[in-house]
Amino acid sequence: SAVISQKPSRDICQRGTSLTIQCQVDSQVTMMFWYRQQPGQSLTLIATANQGSEATYESGFVIDKFPISRPNLTFSTLTVSNMSPEDSSIYLCSVGLGTRVSNEQFFGPGTRLTVL
Amino acid sequence: GQQLNQSPQSMFIQEGEDVSMNCTSSSIFNTWLWYKQDPGEGPVLLIALYKAGELTSNGRLTAQFGITRKDSFLNISASIPSDVGIYFCAGPPPNFGNEKLTFGTGTRLTIIP
Repeated sequence: SAVISQKPSRDICQRGTSLTIQCQVDSQVTMMFWYRQQPGQSLTLIATANQGSEATYESGFVIDKFPISRPNLTFSTLTVSNMSPEDSSIYLCSVGLGTRVSNEQFFGPGTRLTVL
Repeated sequence: GQQLNQSPQSMFIQEGEDVSMNCTSSSIFNTWLWYKQDPGEGPVLLIALYKAGELTSNGRLTAQFGITRKDSFLNISASIPSDVGIYFCAGPPPNFGNEKLTFGTGTRLTIIP
């Protein structure tokens, strides 16, 4: 597995502002992902963060709202732009280790976002 | 998108009881993963299953890959207070390679004192 940290762990933001969430891994990994978990709900994949190229977004998520950077194999950021109360969720990053068992993913502790 | 349905949605049990939960899909999956999420934490991988019929244990937890490849089961024996949390099944959706995961709806386990 890998040790994954996220910053911030939680934040309270005003509507219309933006928040950038950082995800740091203690080793180089091929695959990094960003998920959203709305209150009381399951996890929904936002995008796959690709190193050196644009992220791949899932249906219902767009780059203008959730820009993602992946400057190297240990770090990624997710920005939640022009926030509204509907963006209040837990945002999780995960990593896949790119082995035969590549679909095993390991998660960071999450960032709990509240938008007022 | 692909939905994984988990049953039951929630469980209220007494300490020491055994727990059974399942996860079903309308499509065939080649991998089943079971995660547990504690409050305020990210999900933690408990068990991974890669072969139809496979039965795998991790301590008091046992998971099975259904023969039809459309379902999976998780059992917890002799539950203890630290088993409280939300259990999610997950797997790579069909026709999307092995990288992405879709998650089930979750089973919330509560232990009654």
